[in-house]
Amino acid sequence: NAGVTQTPKFRVLKTGQSMTLLCAQDMNHEYMYWYRQDPGMGLRLIHYSVGEGTTAKGEVPDGYNVSRLKKQNFLLGLESAAPSQTSVYFCASSRTSGRAGAYEQYFGPGTRLTVT
Amino acid sequence: QQQVKQSPQSLIVQKGGISIINCAYENTAFDYFPWYQQFPGKGPALLIAIRPDVSEKKEGRFTISFNKSAKQFSLHIMDSQPGDSATYFCAASRVPTAGTGRRALTFGSGTRLQVQP
Repeated sequence: NAGVTQTPKFRVLKTGQSMTLLCAQDMNHEYMYWYRQDPGMGLRLIHYSVGEGTTAKGEVPDGYNVSRLKKQNFLLGLESAAPSQTSVYFCASSRTSGRAGAYEQYFGPGTRLTVT
Repeated sequence: QQQVKQSPQSLIVQKGGISIINCAYENTAFDYFPWYQQFPGKGPALLIAIRPDVSEKKEGRFTISFNKSAKQFSLHIMDSQPGDSATYFCAASRVPTAGTGRRALTFGSGTRLQVQP
């Protein structure tokens, strides 16, 4: 099993450009998440999905859109990139929610995005 | 609003020493407290987790101590090794928001641990 994979690994964008980050998981997990990681701020949830065809906003959703057309894939889109979106983006997946501790979030290796 | 506060920001420990990282939370609805370990260039990975019905959980050299009344929990790494050098994140989650079934993780800001040989 590859677990959670992310493409691309690195990307440099100019302000105003658009791009899509792809996340794929092969663990048949229902839940998928997109986080951004910034120095001194930990990981912050951007958007998440509780199943194919459903998405919802997280803590910092502005400037991002997502889609979950297939259970194994979760796409994060930036329509008009801004320097404030320079960050490392992590995708994660987990089984359906259950008792505390009954699930674990598995993270991908991350995408380092720089917006100039 | 930072719901999970983590300290210190960075920590240097000698090989064989004890590393201690502390976290404090505000939301009393939190009922699951995991610690994640992240090596450079990698995604975070679950290290150990605890529920508030116990005060301590130990897995090998890693121990979580939990103080419900103080709303604090800490990670202790005994006999710290250079291979433990990484960034550690505490996190917390609560009972799923009604109708969503989702357990959101709220992360602390991270501690960069360096174990010197």
